[in-house]
Amino acid sequence: NAGVTQTPKFQVLKTGQSMTLQCAQDMNHNSMYWYRQDPGMGLRLIYYSASEGTTDKGEVPNGYNVSRLNKREFSLRLESAAPSQTSVYFCASSERDRAGTEAFFGQGTRLTVV
Amino acid sequence: AQTVTQSQPEMSVQEAETVTLSCTYDTSESDYYLFWYKQPPSRQMILVIRQEAYKQQNATENRFSVNFQKAAKSFSLKISDSQLGDAAMYFCAYRRNFGNEKLTFGTGTRLTIIP
Repeated sequence: NAGVTQTPKFQVLKTGQSMTLQCAQDMNHNSMYWYRQDPGMGLRLIYYSASEGTTDKGEVPNGYNVSRLNKREFSLRLESAAPSQTSVYFCASSERDRAGTEAFFGQGTRLTVV
Repeated sequence: AQTVTQSQPEMSVQEAETVTLSCTYDTSESDYYLFWYKQPPSRQMILVIRQEAYKQQNATENRFSVNFQKAAKSFSLKISDSQLGDAAMYFCAYRRNFGNEKLTFGTGTRLTIIP
């Protein structure tokens, strides 16, 4: 049982390049999330998806797009990377109708934009 | 909007001693969950403990316990008998008890264990 799997684990991009972060979960969860973690700022929500086919903006959505491809997969795309998007990105999932259950996190992707 | 505040960016404790990490939150809701997550150097986010707002009894998980003060909107984490493996970033998080509501995190406290 892998839980939440993110790829890649590390990435360096040049300003203006695009890339997609992949995330898949095997726990049959309805809800999936993308967070970014920056020093001194905790984890901030970029986008989330309550179910297949639905997505909603979080606290810091600018510069990102997402796709909920199916129940398992939720990808995050940077169309034109900027140095301000240098961060550690986490994908997470949880069971939608059980708020007290924990969110499960992937291992994170360290992205550097130069 | 809900906010979570961790006012201690860094804390340190001697091995085998007890340390308390502070967390306050702001919400107008009455039904919610609070969590403490641990993030070791591996970056993995690990759930330490959770507390349901409607439960008056403070949650406990082995050496980890919380002091939940609902009226004061305070949710502190106490680590007893600190061990070297407890060294990590600790994040307090809030989640409204409505279906798919997302977690709102504090800024974290870095805990150092002194041998």
